[in-house]
Amino acid sequence: AQTVTQSQPEMSVQEAETVTLSCTYDTSESNYYLFWYKQPPSRQMILVIRQEAYKQQNATENRFSVNFQKAAKSFSLKISDSQLGDTAMYFCASTLTTGANSKLTFGKGITLSVRP
Amino acid sequence: NAGVTQTPKFQVLKTGQSMTLQCAQDMNHNSMYWYRQDPGMGLRLIYYSASEGTTDKGEVPNGYNVSRLNKREFSLRLESAAPSQTSVYFCASSERDYDSPLHFGNGTRLTVT
Repeated sequence: AQTVTQSQPEMSVQEAETVTLSCTYDTSESNYYLFWYKQPPSRQMILVIRQEAYKQQNATENRFSVNFQKAAKSFSLKISDSQLGDTAMYFCASTLTTGANSKLTFGKGITLSVRP
Repeated sequence: NAGVTQTPKFQVLKTGQSMTLQCAQDMNHNSMYWYRQDPGMGLRLIYYSASEGTTDKGEVPNGYNVSRLNKREFSLRLESAAPSQTSVYFCASSERDYDSPLHFGNGTRLTVT
């Protein structure tokens, strides 16, 4: 079965420091899409960043960047200059394929706590 | 711009009762989805609709039915609620089903006693 794995259930980081959240996935396809979503205590799901598998350049959005290693099937999220507002649950997700009826498969999530 | 609106926000049901969760999006998106979120399980797809007029089962469809009423609305029905359906339910929509990010509603916390 095609899967998305987040092996770390919890992480903690000091404010202003950098933290990396890990994600691996399993697919036999060559093209697919990868996403990181943030879920703060408000419960709202917020898109953090999106990566297309056929693009070698790693996506960045302000303090958020990814390290996409296609051969290793790894898609980690780096948060620089961590802020208290980054405290949330983070979900890695992937379509694992493209074409009609592709659907997002989510990892189990990681709870990130930013310490003041 | 409201985005994705789902109602209700909270609901308590007794075992065997039925209810419908409503979802509407105003972004003219083609695809809509229902997920459930349980502790330690991430988000699991219940049903989805790739386009108006079509619906398909996701990973955990048992005990649920859906209706894509029109392009804007996608409802989820529990015909006979069970305690195992206690969860947080999210509706989402996307422009296309294969590459577009999902836009989520604020979720419904359902408790079945």
